[in-house]
Amino acid sequence: DSGVTQTPKHLITATGQRVTLRCSPRSGDLSVYWYQQSLDQGLQFLIQYYNGEERAKGNILERFSAQQFPDLHSELNLSSLELGDSALYFCASSVDRVGAGSPLHFGNGTRLTVT
Amino acid sequence: DQQVKQNSPSLSVQEGRISILNCDYTNSMFDYFLWYKKYPAEGPTFLISISSIKDKNEDGRFTVFLNKSAKHLSLHIVPSQPGDSAVYFCAAIGSGGSNYKLTFGKGTLLTVNP
Repeated sequence: DSGVTQTPKHLITATGQRVTLRCSPRSGDLSVYWYQQSLDQGLQFLIQYYNGEERAKGNILERFSAQQFPDLHSELNLSSLELGDSALYFCASSVDRVGAGSPLHFGNGTRLTVT
Repeated sequence: DQQVKQNSPSLSVQEGRISILNCDYTNSMFDYFLWYKKYPAEGPTFLISISSIKDKNEDGRFTVFLNKSAKHLSLHIVPSQPGDSAVYFCAAIGSGGSNYKLTFGKGTLLTVNP
């Protein structure tokens, strides 16, 4: 158990809809990262927050947004969903910047299916 | 532009033999490298890491080698066990500026046959 909790585990929704994915980081971790894993793709970095503030942005679509709350949990909002948004969405956390003694710890992901 | 490449989508080895998983990178600013293991229906699990100031790091059956001049790293598993069957991801992160992004390869599926 990594200590990172993601809900829900599975989500099935229709095109055009909006969903919210939730993540609780490990106790003591201030940084939260969101990754997307599509079929045959590696883990694509979406966005990172540190102690409530956005720190780094990857290939995140404008239809997607995220935030980290004062209690450090994070939410990833996906709107105007398209079939191609179907993927596994992982949340990960670390104490601060990933480095020696501070690897990234992943949750078990949310599998989003857009029909 | 794929900065971390795992060119072998899959690898099959016999139990007890050595498994060697390879990873190449293109960004010379990368200074810390990690390997993750992923079972189906689970998130990636941290396995082992290496800093660019070292060329080898060992943890039990797992050893990671780094060749900076070739921008290449490898993960050796000796001896391989059936429970090691999983997808292995190589990842890298760079120094300087605000580079906090951990970049992953596409993964290699390792199958260890009994």
